[in-house]
Amino acid sequence: QVQLVESGGGVVQPGRSLRLSCAASGFTFSNYALHWVRQAPGKGLEWVAASAYDGGTQSYADSVKGRFTISRDFSTNTLFLQVNSLRAEDTGVYYCARVMVGAISRPFDYWGQGTLVTVSS
Amino acid sequence: QSALTQEAAVSGTVGQKVTLSCTGNSNNIGSYVVGWYQQISRGVPKTVMFGNSLPSGIPDRFSGSKSGTTASLTISGLQPEDEADYYCSTWDYSLSAVVFGGGTKLTVL
Repeated sequence: QVQLVESGGGVVQPGRSLRLSCAASGFTFSNYALHWVRQAPGKGLEWVAASAYDGGTQSYADSVKGRFTISRDFSTNTLFLQVNSLRAEDTGVYYCARVMVGAISRPFDYWGQGTLVTVSS
Repeated sequence: QSALTQEAAVSGTVGQKVTLSCTGNSNNIGSYVVGWYQQISRGVPKTVMFGNSLPSGIPDRFSGSKSGTTASLTISGLQPEDEADYYCSTWDYSLSAVVFGGGTKLTVL
């Protein structure tokens, strides 16, 4: 069955960095676009970034552009999110989500369980 | 302010039919398939609809539709376990980004 398992969250000071991982299994990793979606405490879902099925195209929310980088390792079927220059407003649960087969613009069909990032001094 | 507009709160009684709406524009809902996601008690989101297609395991009391730049999620025969926050989202080609609605809190009375 499809599984997406995030890791790498934690408590970090403002301005520091983290690398979030999403280990994928149960499907052909190179056939699906993958996204990161976050949720701040008490707030709604917010899209963060996307990687096309072949890793050739990436898209970012304006709020993270220039600070976050999405990438994927096809040898380990892992999606990454490098998060730099962290701010308090980056605090939240970060979810990895797979889209339906096809383009990066398709809706999500599977979600990981999330990893919590807390930015605090 | 969210790019997609959803009702903040909707309520219904057990067995009732309720419809949640999601309004956007021609750059997003008017051009792409809309996804609907259920989140119970701030847990992991679960996909309950994409376009008018039901994911495996989702009860057929859920249905989806779209008219122009407004998408709708209808729950026929509301159940207590349907109480949750519901979010819509889709792609926006002018932004090259996924856009979400602010979410609708569905209460089952």
